[in-house]
Amino acid sequence: DVKVTQSSRYLVKRTGEKVFLECVQDMDHENMFWYRQDPGLGLRLIYFSYDVKMKEKGDIPEGYSVSREKKERFSLILESASTNQTSMYLCASSLFGSGRTGELFFGEGSRLTVL
Amino acid sequence: DAKTTQPPSMDCAEGRAANLPCNHSTISGNEYVYWYRQIHSQGPQYIIHGLKNNETNEMASLIITEDRKSSTLILPHATLRDTAVYYCIVRVVNDYKLSFGAGTTVTVRA
Repeated sequence: DVKVTQSSRYLVKRTGEKVFLECVQDMDHENMFWYRQDPGLGLRLIYFSYDVKMKEKGDIPEGYSVSREKKERFSLILESASTNQTSMYLCASSLFGSGRTGELFFGEGSRLTVL
Repeated sequence: DAKTTQPPSMDCAEGRAANLPCNHSTISGNEYVYWYRQIHSQGPQYIIHGLKNNETNEMASLIITEDRKSSTLILPHATLRDTAVYYCIVRVVNDYKLSFGAGTTVTVRA
């Protein structure tokens, strides 16, 4: 089975702190994604990557950056955390190719609280 | 991407088939239909996808109308563990973005 592992299930950080959310997948998938999920707003795409060192902005990239130095790992970085970044963060991966690109495998999520 | 319309909620009896409708009347010829579900406190789970033809896998069946303007996800024998939010998503071929809407909250009752 595909496994997408997110480093922390729950985090509590203070405003202004730098926050790293790590995601690792074990199925050699080309594509990796970061979403956030908020009540009433659904899942929103922050960034995605289709190859090592490649990244593309999603729908809400402001306040975030990403890093993909290795194929299996995709990191989400909050340079200076703010309270409006309190959310559930979900990492996903998929194979490249037509329909398979949309067949996302998600991690369990990281619930971040910024105080 | 074409927008989708799903009922906000529906109930289903355990052991019966659950038929989840989705309207995507503005779908284009190069857009796939995907279904995902999200069980409480878990990440979304891929269920099935299709382009034109009906599809079936171990989890569900996807029926797409001939004009592709709507589809139905069928869970053949619903169990209590199928209680979840179900998302119907339309995505352009070769597009990386997958936009999740509000979905349908399905409650399976004993």
